[in-house]
Amino acid sequence: DSGVTQTPKHLITATGQRVTLRCSPRSGDLSVYWYQQSLDQGLQFLIQYYNGEERAKGNILERFSAQQFPDLHSELNLSSLELGDSALYFCASSGLAGAANTGELFFGEGSRLTVL
Amino acid sequence: GNSVTQMEGPVTLSEEAFLTINCTYTATGYPSLFWYVQYPGEGLQLLLKATKADDKGSNKGFEATYRKETTSFHLEKGSVQVSDSAVYFCALSEPAGTALIFGKGTTLSVSS
Repeated sequence: DSGVTQTPKHLITATGQRVTLRCSPRSGDLSVYWYQQSLDQGLQFLIQYYNGEERAKGNILERFSAQQFPDLHSELNLSSLELGDSALYFCASSGLAGAANTGELFFGEGSRLTVL
Repeated sequence: GNSVTQMEGPVTLSEEAFLTINCTYTATGYPSLFWYVQYPGEGLQLLLKATKADDKGSNKGFEATYRKETTSFHLEKGSVQVSDSAVYFCALSEPAGTALIFGKGTTLSVSS
């Protein structure tokens, strides 16, 4: 158990809809990362938050947005969904306050999104 | 930019065979290198890591050596088991605290 919790585990929705994925990081971790895993693209980094502020952006579409709240949990919002958005979305965390940063990320079990 | 290239799979082996999964990287500085493993239906778990040149990471019989001169971090195991069947990802982080950049993953299937 990595200590990272993601909900929901599975989600089925229709094209054009909007969904929200939720992530609770490991206790004390300040950074949250979102990744998209699809068969053809592999693991793609979407966005990173650190202590409530956006730290880095990867291949995140404009239809997607994220935020990190004061309690450090994060949400990834996906809107105007398309068939190609069907994928496994992972949240990871790191950056325990006061600990040396080794670069390791701790991953949740993912949220599988199916767009029909 | 930074990138990771790992061998295409799937890799199919018999139990007790020797395993090598090649991984090479491109980075502007001095990255940390990682191997993650994803078992069916699960998230990614750290398998091993190395943070500087010539370091050897090891765990559960797997090992990989950080080779700066060849920009490589190949994963090896002397005798695979059926339970090692999974997808293996090579990744780098530079600097620490930034998002990991992953290779495309290599699927390993071990039969008894």
